[in-house]
Amino acid sequence: AQSVTQLGSHVSVSEGALVLLRCNYSSSVPPYLFWYVQYPNQGLQLLLKYTSAATLVKGINGFEAEFKKSETSFHLTKPSAHMSDAAEYFCAVGAGGTSYGKLTFGQGTILTVHP
Amino acid sequence: ETGVTQSPTHLIKTRGQQVTLRCSSQSGHNTVSWYQQALGQGPQFIFQYYREEENGRGNFPPRFSGLQFPNYSSELNVNALELDDSALYLCASSEPGVYYTEAFFGQGTRLTVV
Repeated sequence: AQSVTQLGSHVSVSEGALVLLRCNYSSSVPPYLFWYVQYPNQGLQLLLKYTSAATLVKGINGFEAEFKKSETSFHLTKPSAHMSDAAEYFCAVGAGGTSYGKLTFGQGTILTVHP
Repeated sequence: ETGVTQSPTHLIKTRGQQVTLRCSSQSGHNTVSWYQQALGQGPQFIFQYYREEENGRGNFPPRFSGLQFPNYSSELNVNALELDDSALYLCASSEPGVYYTEAFFGQGTRLTVV
């Protein structure tokens, strides 16, 4: 069984400040981990993914995430927030083999960026 | 290359009715997954279709059913609608031959049951 916990349903930062969105996962098999972003009334857009290669993963729009197996974490960061980063962010875990395509999502974190 | 498209974008139905939602997968993708996203929640996996066969199902009752067609487009059918079925329904397609799951999502269909 797999699960994802996103710590903090709302995160507020000032423009130019560091963004840190937290994600912890549970998986009985080596996980594939993802971060998606969702803008209002839209679908999900993939930001980045971890697939057992490099533990530090770089994604689009300046975001990156680090896979830490010992901490079962996959936190999302961005050095300098931009107003356009305001959205909801979802961490997800997937499994390979016959379960590929099934993603388990966290509850989401709404990011607010203040001028 | 076209992305994942879903229709309709919005839908209002009455409790007890049936609804069909449609999804066209991204070009070259043979796997389609459906998710339900209730307000304020993360998406929940309903089921997945791979080459026209169901390939995994989440914790949803049998009144949620689906189809995948030879062109890999897909339908989600929900019978006997309940108020709690009101949600954003997301379709995602996956790249064939890729072991890990990289799902590309459509814009979703917003279903309201009254």
